[in-house]
Amino acid sequence: AQKITQTQPGMFVQEKEAVTLDCTYDTSDPSYGLFWYKQPSSGEMIFLIYQGSYDQQNATEGRYSLNFQKARKSANLVISASQLGDSAMYFCAMRERNAGKSTFGDGTTLTVKP
Amino acid sequence: SAVISQKPSRDICQRGTSLTIQCQVDSQVTMMFWYRQQPGQSLTLIATANQGSEATYESGFVIDKFPISRPNLTFSTLTVSNMSPEDSSIYLCSVEDSRSGTGELFFGEGSRLTVL
Repeated sequence: AQKITQTQPGMFVQEKEAVTLDCTYDTSDPSYGLFWYKQPSSGEMIFLIYQGSYDQQNATEGRYSLNFQKARKSANLVISASQLGDSAMYFCAMRERNAGKSTFGDGTTLTVKP
Repeated sequence: SAVISQKPSRDICQRGTSLTIQCQVDSQVTMMFWYRQQPGQSLTLIATANQGSEATYESGFVIDKFPISRPNLTFSTLTVSNMSPEDSSIYLCSVEDSRSGTGELFFGEGSRLTVL
């Protein structure tokens, strides 16, 4: 079974609007971390935001916030006030404490329209 | 954050040849990870490289095809052996942020291999 599921292969958003990228996960490890990474067309992987399984509050980093719903095992990324430079591939990832390594979802390609 | 340098950044290789990718980190790290990203797809972990021990390979990846060296805490190499067109991918070296303790990854800029 896939551990990380991103059901949106592609998303479009108008510049300055907010967009939510979906991510669901599957684990039996009570201790885990959830991450979002951005990969522009240039290819580099950029860490955006982290949410720990025991964190009570949703993580925020500037225009990025993570909508963490533990019971539903979802960790959606919300990008507010989209910019043209946000156009990229976005990957959700999970690191289970016992596994010691990160697993990535299939990614969502976000296109911001002017 | 760790700064990771990978080389080559890209290469075009002939079928049947081997290529070694180098990864240099600007700080000492315990584990280094090698990922493969086939065109338009996600990242798949090839192996975890620990200093002073054999690399740990994921299912579907074997040492004969992807030998890894880890001679010290700042350097690792991945060799793609006896290449075929199916090996055309981006190969990424990464390390965890040891200071945050959260497990976030820093990545090299990747090595884009095209096998003809």
